[in-house]
Amino acid sequence: EAGVAQSPRYKIIEKRQSVAFWCNPISGHATLYWYQQILGQGPKLLIQFQNNGVVDDSQLPKDRFSAERLKGVDSTLKIQPAKLEDSAVYLCASSFTSGGAGETQYFGPGTRLLVL
Amino acid sequence: SQKIEQNSEALNIQEGKTATLTCNYTNYSPAYLQWYRQDPGRGPVFLLLIRENEKEKRKERLKVTFDTTLKQSLFHITASQPADSATYLCALDAGSGNTGKLIFGQGTTLQVKP
Repeated sequence: EAGVAQSPRYKIIEKRQSVAFWCNPISGHATLYWYQQILGQGPKLLIQFQNNGVVDDSQLPKDRFSAERLKGVDSTLKIQPAKLEDSAVYLCASSFTSGGAGETQYFGPGTRLLVL
Repeated sequence: SQKIEQNSEALNIQEGKTATLTCNYTNYSPAYLQWYRQDPGRGPVFLLLIRENEKEKRKERLKVTFDTTLKQSLFHITASQPADSATYLCALDAGSGNTGKLIFGQGTTLQVKP
């Protein structure tokens, strides 16, 4: 079974530029998550989709971050404009159903973003 | 305020010994708690889940305990090996137990020396 795929793996941009990350979850998984992991910290949930609807985006900085999951499969996360403090690893994860009751989340390798 | 904390200092132990990692939380009442392993440059990998009504869970050389009175989980690796060297993250359910909304600790890095 193929795992969660993410691209690109690395990205370096100047502040105020825009950037987009792509995620392809495990086939058949209904729920998709985007996390931000700053160096030395644990992952922080940015947004959670179930199929193509948003379940939770309470920690997404909506003035600069946006995400979509069209057709309930792939997802993109965009930052526009980027700030220095956005430098982090952006992790995508998926779970088979809603993620509730402690259902396992499967993580991709992440995209490492450096904002200069 | 709500917090979940792990030892931020790295844990260095000798091969064959038991490693014990701690996860403490405040102002949460989680329905469950999970432990993940993260290797450099990779995403976290799920290891174990323990529910609020369970005291202990085991899987091979891994053991997790959950004390809801102390608001603490302990993660043990017995007969540790250099291959166990990684960062270990605890995560708890921040919702009602039905949403999959996880809050992660900052992780503890374990180094097992041969």
